[in-house]
Amino acid sequence: SQTIHQWPATLVQPVGSPLSLECTVEGTSNPNLYWYRQAAGRGLQLLFYSVGIGQISSEVPQNLSASRPQDRQFILSSKKLLLSDSGFYLCAWSVLENTGELFFGEGSRLTVL
Amino acid sequence: KQEVTQIPAALSVPEGENLVLNCSFTDSAIYNLQWFRQDPGKGLTSLLLIQSSQREQTSGRLNASLDKSSGRSTLYIAASQPGDSATYLCVLSSGTYKYIFGTGTRLKVLA
Repeated sequence: SQTIHQWPATLVQPVGSPLSLECTVEGTSNPNLYWYRQAAGRGLQLLFYSVGIGQISSEVPQNLSASRPQDRQFILSSKKLLLSDSGFYLCAWSVLENTGELFFGEGSRLTVL
Repeated sequence: KQEVTQIPAALSVPEGENLVLNCSFTDSAIYNLQWFRQDPGKGLTSLLLIQSSQREQTSGRLNASLDKSSGRSTLYIAASQPGDSATYLCVLSSGTYKYIFGTGTRLKVLA
């Protein structure tokens, strides 16, 4: 069966520090991968998506970047965090050639102080 | 541009009631529709997926219907329980990479 792992679950970082959030998917191949951010009490905002290794599309200009070094690995990074980067980050995957069903990880809560 | 609206935005019901959550969308050209629940501080859990060619899906006490011609989907929860308290989201796929999220319904089931 397919599973998705996302870590770390919680982190508190000072302004200006780097960030790395990691997401891996098991049990499927060539998935579409997504990073979303959810601000407190708000909906989900798509940050990045990837349809293949090394293929990254950004939906909004921001302080963050994403990479896909392996088929089932998706990394969200920042060189210098801003206060506005605080939020709940969710990784997700889907395979359009199947049902197109979307699956989410458990999320990473980032607080920038 | 596809827009997805969920009504009501919040709902509070006593335990045991049957309830219906509504999802409306403006473009009937959808690939599938999913219903999720989100507990506070948690990720989204997929409840039901309805493909474009389907009319409804059932899982336990949950039943989701899809009417593309009227741009509506409903999530029916039978015999609600306090554990059903969460935010419910409908999400549409157009068959590309993009998923459109509804505005959500916050459900509270009172014991």
